[in-house]
Amino acid sequence: AQSVSQHNHHVILSEAASLELGCNYSYGGTVNLFWYVQYPGQHLQLLLKYFSGDPLVKGIKGFEAEFIKSKFSFNLRKPSVQWSDTAEYFCAVIDPNDYKLSFGAGTTVTVRA
Amino acid sequence: GAVVSQHPSWVICKSGTSVKIECRSLDFQATTMFWYRQFPKQSLMLMATSNEGSKATYEQGVEKDKFLINHASLTLSTLTVTSAHPEDSSFYICSASHSAASGRLYQETQYFGPGTRLLVL
Repeated sequence: AQSVSQHNHHVILSEAASLELGCNYSYGGTVNLFWYVQYPGQHLQLLLKYFSGDPLVKGIKGFEAEFIKSKFSFNLRKPSVQWSDTAEYFCAVIDPNDYKLSFGAGTTVTVRA
Repeated sequence: GAVVSQHPSWVICKSGTSVKIECRSLDFQATTMFWYRQFPKQSLMLMATSNEGSKATYEQGVEKDKFLINHASLTLSTLTVTSAHPEDSSFYICSASHSAASGRLYQETQYFGPGTRLLVL
């Protein structure tokens, strides 16, 4: 299985601030990469995904992520956060050997109004 | 979008009883369904992978006789927690996978259900 690390456990920021969440994975070959979000009391929702092509992926709600193969990274960004972005964010990677989805530990993002 | 439902959303049961959780893909046929467990403030832990019409594949450390999985159709998988005990109390989440072939690597996106919170007294 993949090893996925998310650098920040808890991020606190104010509305309109920019957000960047780090994610690194271990596999050196072709991978499928995902960011999921879990709002308080809700289920996991897909924010964006990368399979191939343009390494800069745009997702829902103004989020984007950049795949940098040389750094084994897939960092999530949003230029200006809103209070409603308060949630738990999970980076995930599919292992091409067994198609299992491995999750990072998650980053709790708290946006203060 | 792809919608996955789970039923029930929460259940409280007595120790020793069995609990069945259903997972349905509502608007697509899922080639594979997955069952996860999530502990408070932690990430999801994969319990088992289920393909329609075949036996589930369990992760190391997960008791297959305790967590029975049945995948009767391309839209329904069930997880039965048999003889539940308080340590089985957790948040159980299913996901359904919709795959498209792309070269040698299948592109799988998992869509998650809302989860079932189980409390065993």
